[in-house]
Amino acid sequence: GENVEQHPSTLSVQEGDSAVIKCTYSDSASNYFPWYKQELGKRPQLIIDIRSNVGEKKDQRIAVTLNKTAKHFSLHITETQPEDSAVYFCAAQKGSNYQLIWGAGTKLIIKP
Amino acid sequence: NAGVMQNPRHLVRRRGQEARLRCSPMKGHSHVYWYRQLPEEGLKFMVYLQKENIIDESGMPKERFSAEFPKEGPSILRIQQVVRGDSAAYFCASSEGYNEQFFGPGTRLTVL
Repeated sequence: GENVEQHPSTLSVQEGDSAVIKCTYSDSASNYFPWYKQELGKRPQLIIDIRSNVGEKKDQRIAVTLNKTAKHFSLHITETQPEDSAVYFCAAQKGSNYQLIWGAGTKLIIKP
Repeated sequence: NAGVMQNPRHLVRRRGQEARLRCSPMKGHSHVYWYRQLPEEGLKFMVYLQKENIIDESGMPKERFSAEFPKEGPSILRIQQVVRGDSAAYFCASSEGYNEQFFGPGTRLTVL
């Protein structure tokens, strides 16, 4: 079955710098890759997603890149701000009748 | 659209009692997922249901836990004879097929 590994588990960056979180997946049939942000005490919320027919997607300060050959995808946050502090989860899915397989999460800390 | 609703938001039970957690998916969504999250930990998949069917229950303990998603009404996660180790946040998410999962606010279960 699918397995998703996420690194690092904790990431501390200076406010204004960039942050990169990486995930690898094992099943080459996976074709949907969302990223969720969970603030303390809140529910996870989708911030960006990518499908396997696209290599990169951007939305303002966040971007996701996908390398299907290497089976990894990454979240990039530029010009980090205090409100970016949260836990970020990546996930992979094969199709509509399959569950999302989740990474273990990355705690992002933005230092003032 | 009211979003995914869960109730109760907080539930306190004594050891040996039953806990019933309810989830109303977003309007038009027929896929429901239940997750468990311990403090400072990731999302652990429990069960995936479509209307009246359990699609994947591989993450749910075989004993004491059950889930249903009837034709009418909310999805129910039932935990019988609760133990202290069941204390956690339980999130429900819904989707329409091959799309974003929307999360509910979660139910915080405390077992005394």
